[in-house]
Amino acid sequence: DAKTTQPPSMDCAEGRAANLPCNHSTISGNEYVYWYRQIHSQGPQYIIHGLKNNETNEMASLIITEDRKSSTLILPHATLRDTAVYYCIVRVDNGNQFYFGTGTSLTVIP
Amino acid sequence: NAGVTQTPKFRILKIGQSMTLQCTQDMNHNYMYWYRQDPGMGLKLIYYSVGAGITDKGEVPNGYNVSRSTTEDFPLRLELAAPSQTSVYFCASKEDRMGNQPQHFGDGTRLSIL
Repeated sequence: DAKTTQPPSMDCAEGRAANLPCNHSTISGNEYVYWYRQIHSQGPQYIIHGLKNNETNEMASLIITEDRKSSTLILPHATLRDTAVYYCIVRVDNGNQFYFGTGTSLTVIP
Repeated sequence: NAGVTQTPKFRILKIGQSMTLQCTQDMNHNYMYWYRQDPGMGLKLIYYSVGAGITDKGEVPNGYNVSRSTTEDFPLRLELAAPSQTSVYFCASKEDRMGNQPQHFGDGTRLSIL
Protein backbone atom coordinates (compact mmCIF):
# COMPACT_ATOMS: atom_id res chain seq x y z
CA ASP A 1 0.00 0.00 0.00
CA ALA A 2 1.53 3.21 -1.19
CA LYS A 3 2.14 5.78 1.53
CA THR A 4 2.17 8.60 -1.02
CA THR A 5 0.71 9.02 -4.50
CA GLN A 6 2.01 11.55 -7.03
CA PRO A 7 1.36 12.08 -10.74
CA PRO A 8 4.25 10.59 -12.73
CA SER A 9 4.94 13.70 -14.79
CA MET A 10 4.01 17.36 -15.24
CA ASP A 11 5.00 20.25 -17.48
CA CYS A 12 5.21 23.91 -16.52
CA ALA A 13 6.01 27.00 -18.55
CA GLU A 14 9.08 28.93 -17.48
CA GLY A 15 8.16 31.81 -15.18
CA ARG A 16 4.82 30.32 -14.22
CA ALA A 17 3.97 28.67 -10.92
CA ALA A 18 4.44 24.92 -10.72
CA ASN A 19 1.92 23.15 -8.50
CA LEU A 20 2.87 19.59 -7.61
CA PRO A 21 0.22 17.54 -5.76
CA CYS A 22 0.70 14.63 -3.39
CA ASN A 23 -1.83 12.34 -1.79
CA HIS A 24 -0.92 10.94 1.63
CA SER A 25 -4.32 9.81 2.86
CA THR A 26 -2.94 7.37 5.46
CA ILE A 27 -0.73 9.90 7.21
CA SER A 28 -1.06 9.92 10.98
CA GLY A 29 -1.69 12.99 13.06
CA ASN A 30 1.90 13.69 14.10
CA GLU A 31 3.74 12.83 10.89
CA TYR A 32 5.38 15.53 8.82
CA VAL A 33 5.31 15.71 5.03
CA TYR A 34 8.70 16.32 3.40
CA TRP A 35 9.47 17.38 -0.14
CA TYR A 36 12.74 16.66 -1.93
CA ARG A 37 13.86 16.94 -5.51
CA GLN A 38 16.45 15.06 -7.52
CA ILE A 39 18.22 16.54 -10.52
CA HIS A 40 19.96 14.25 -13.01
CA SER A 41 20.26 11.37 -10.49
CA GLN A 42 22.20 13.53 -8.05
CA GLY A 43 21.52 13.11 -4.34
CA PRO A 44 18.02 14.23 -3.31
CA GLN A 45 17.87 17.86 -2.27
CA TYR A 46 15.63 18.90 0.63
CA ILE A 47 13.04 21.56 -0.26
CA ILE A 48 10.54 22.00 2.54
CA HIS A 49 8.49 20.16 5.15
CA GLY A 50 5.35 20.76 7.22
CA LEU A 51 2.89 19.27 9.68
CA LYS A 52 -0.43 21.06 9.34
CA ASN A 53 0.22 24.72 8.69
CA ASN A 54 1.23 26.10 5.32
CA GLU A 55 4.96 26.67 5.06
CA THR A 56 7.12 28.91 2.89
CA ASN A 57 10.86 29.23 2.44
CA GLU A 58 13.20 30.67 -0.16
CA MET A 59 12.66 27.72 -2.49
CA ALA A 60 8.95 26.93 -2.33
CA SER A 61 5.63 26.97 -0.53
CA LEU A 62 3.85 23.97 0.92
CA ILE A 63 0.07 23.87 1.21
CA ILE A 64 -1.37 21.09 3.39
CA THR A 65 -5.11 20.44 3.36
CA GLU A 66 -7.00 20.75 6.61
CA ASP A 67 -7.59 16.98 6.81
CA ARG A 68 -3.85 16.48 6.05
CA LYS A 69 -4.62 13.84 3.43
CA SER A 70 -2.92 15.77 0.64
CA SER A 71 -0.48 18.57 0.02
CA THR A 72 0.76 20.73 -2.83
CA LEU A 73 4.29 21.99 -3.40
CA ILE A 74 4.36 25.34 -5.16
CA LEU A 75 7.37 26.67 -7.04
CA PRO A 76 6.23 30.27 -7.54
CA HIS A 77 8.26 31.15 -10.63
CA ALA A 78 9.61 28.00 -12.25
CA THR A 79 12.95 28.16 -14.05
CA LEU A 80 14.64 25.66 -16.34
CA ARG A 81 16.83 24.64 -13.41
CA ASP A 82 13.73 23.43 -11.57
CA THR A 83 13.40 20.54 -14.03
CA ALA A 84 13.76 17.52 -11.73
CA VAL A 85 11.95 14.63 -10.08
CA TYR A 86 10.04 15.81 -7.01
CA TYR A 87 9.34 13.44 -4.14
CA CYS A 88 6.72 13.78 -1.44
CA ILE A 89 7.86 11.74 1.56
CA VAL A 90 6.31 10.59 4.80
CA ARG A 91 7.59 8.57 7.70
CA VAL A 92 6.59 4.91 7.71
CA ASP A 93 4.46 3.83 10.67
CA ASN A 94 5.93 6.52 12.95
CA GLY A 95 9.24 4.71 12.83
CA ASN A 96 12.69 5.59 11.55
CA GLN A 97 12.04 4.84 7.88
CA PHE A 98 10.77 7.17 5.15
CA TYR A 99 8.73 6.23 2.08
CA PHE A 100 9.92 7.86 -1.16
CA GLY A 101 7.60 6.56 -3.86
CA THR A 102 8.39 7.23 -7.54
CA GLY A 103 7.89 11.00 -7.52
CA THR A 104 6.75 13.50 -10.18
CA SER A 105 9.02 14.33 -13.08
CA LEU A 106 8.62 18.08 -13.62
CA THR A 107 9.72 19.54 -16.94
CA VAL A 108 9.96 23.32 -17.16
CA ILE A 109 9.42 24.41 -20.75
CA PRO A 110 11.05 27.58 -22.16
CA ASN B 1 31.37 21.94 6.15
CA ALA B 2 31.33 19.08 3.64
CA GLY B 3 27.99 17.50 4.69
CA VAL B 4 27.62 13.86 3.61
CA THR B 5 30.52 12.46 1.58
CA GLN B 6 30.34 9.19 -0.33
CA THR B 7 33.19 7.29 -1.93
CA PRO B 8 33.77 6.03 -4.53
CA LYS B 9 31.56 7.89 -7.02
CA PHE B 10 31.68 5.06 -9.56
CA ARG B 11 32.65 1.41 -9.39
CA ILE B 12 32.43 -1.66 -11.59
CA LEU B 13 32.53 -5.05 -9.88
CA LYS B 14 32.58 -8.58 -11.14
CA ILE B 15 29.99 -11.06 -9.89
CA GLY B 16 31.07 -12.54 -6.57
CA GLN B 17 33.48 -9.74 -5.66
CA SER B 18 33.07 -7.77 -2.48
CA MET B 19 33.42 -4.09 -1.70
CA THR B 20 32.63 -1.42 0.85
CA LEU B 21 30.84 1.80 0.03
CA GLN B 22 32.02 4.56 2.32
CA CYS B 23 29.86 7.28 3.85
CA THR B 24 30.97 9.95 6.28
CA GLN B 25 29.25 13.04 7.63
CA ASP B 26 30.67 16.01 9.53
CA MET B 27 27.41 17.36 11.00
CA ASN B 28 27.46 15.21 14.17
CA HIS B 29 24.18 13.60 13.13
CA ASN B 30 23.16 10.46 14.99
CA TYR B 31 20.80 9.12 12.32
CA MET B 32 22.30 7.71 9.12
CA TYR B 33 20.71 5.84 6.22
CA TRP B 34 21.65 3.81 3.14
CA TYR B 35 19.30 3.80 0.13
CA ARG B 36 19.47 2.25 -3.30
CA GLN B 37 17.82 3.68 -6.39
CA ASP B 38 17.17 1.58 -9.47
CA PRO B 39 16.52 3.29 -12.83
CA GLY B 40 13.22 5.18 -12.92
CA MET B 41 12.39 4.24 -9.35
CA GLY B 42 12.30 5.96 -6.00
CA LEU B 43 14.75 5.33 -3.19
CA LYS B 44 14.48 2.14 -1.15
CA LEU B 45 15.97 1.91 2.33
CA ILE B 46 18.63 -0.76 2.83
CA TYR B 47 19.83 -0.15 6.40
CA TYR B 48 19.77 2.66 8.90
CA SER B 49 21.44 3.58 12.17
CA VAL B 50 20.22 5.71 15.07
CA GLY B 51 23.65 6.06 16.64
CA ALA B 52 27.08 4.50 17.01
CA GLY B 53 26.77 0.76 17.62
CA ILE B 54 23.09 0.61 16.60
CA THR B 55 21.90 -0.51 13.17
CA ASP B 56 18.64 -1.88 11.79
CA LYS B 57 17.29 -3.32 8.56
CA GLY B 58 15.27 -1.34 6.10
CA GLU B 59 13.08 -2.49 3.25
CA VAL B 60 15.76 -4.25 1.12
CA PRO B 61 18.64 -5.45 3.38
CA ASN B 62 19.43 -8.82 1.75
CA GLY B 63 22.95 -9.01 0.34
CA TYR B 64 24.27 -6.09 2.38
CA ASN B 65 25.86 -5.48 5.76
CA VAL B 66 26.57 -2.32 7.73
CA SER B 67 28.45 -1.24 10.80
CA ARG B 68 28.51 1.98 12.81
CA SER B 69 31.56 2.24 15.03
CA THR B 70 31.67 6.06 15.03
CA THR B 71 29.12 8.84 14.72
CA GLU B 72 30.74 10.06 11.51
CA ASP B 73 31.02 6.86 9.46
CA PHE B 74 28.44 4.39 8.17
CA PRO B 75 29.99 1.97 5.62
CA LEU B 76 27.88 -0.39 3.50
CA ARG B 77 29.38 -3.79 2.65
CA LEU B 78 28.53 -6.00 -0.32
CA GLU B 79 29.96 -9.47 0.35
CA LEU B 80 29.09 -11.36 -2.86
CA ALA B 81 28.17 -8.91 -5.58
CA ALA B 82 25.25 -9.92 -7.80
CA PRO B 83 23.89 -8.26 -10.96
CA SER B 84 20.70 -7.36 -9.05
CA GLN B 85 22.80 -5.02 -6.91
CA THR B 86 23.59 -2.80 -9.86
CA SER B 87 22.15 0.50 -8.69
CA VAL B 88 22.90 3.97 -7.42
CA TYR B 89 23.50 4.04 -3.68
CA PHE B 90 22.79 7.09 -1.54
CA CYS B 91 23.79 7.74 2.03
CA ALA B 92 21.92 10.25 4.18
CA SER B 93 22.11 11.65 7.69
CA LYS B 94 19.66 13.40 9.96
CA GLU B 95 19.83 15.38 13.16
CA ASP B 96 17.61 13.80 15.79
CA ARG B 97 17.38 16.66 18.22
CA MET B 98 13.88 17.28 16.86
CA GLY B 99 12.12 14.36 15.20
CA ASN B 100 11.02 16.37 12.17
CA GLN B 101 14.44 17.39 10.86
CA PRO B 102 15.08 16.51 7.18
CA GLN B 103 17.67 14.10 5.86
CA HIS B 104 20.82 15.35 4.12
CA PHE B 105 22.01 13.25 1.19
CA GLY B 106 25.36 12.52 -0.37
CA ASP B 107 25.97 12.58 -4.13
CA GLY B 108 25.74 8.82 -4.51
CA THR B 109 27.85 5.87 -5.64
CA ARG B 110 27.05 4.39 -9.03
CA LEU B 111 27.75 0.66 -8.90
CA SER B 112 27.65 -1.79 -11.79
CA ILE B 113 27.97 -5.55 -11.32
CA LEU B 114 29.04 -7.40 -14.46
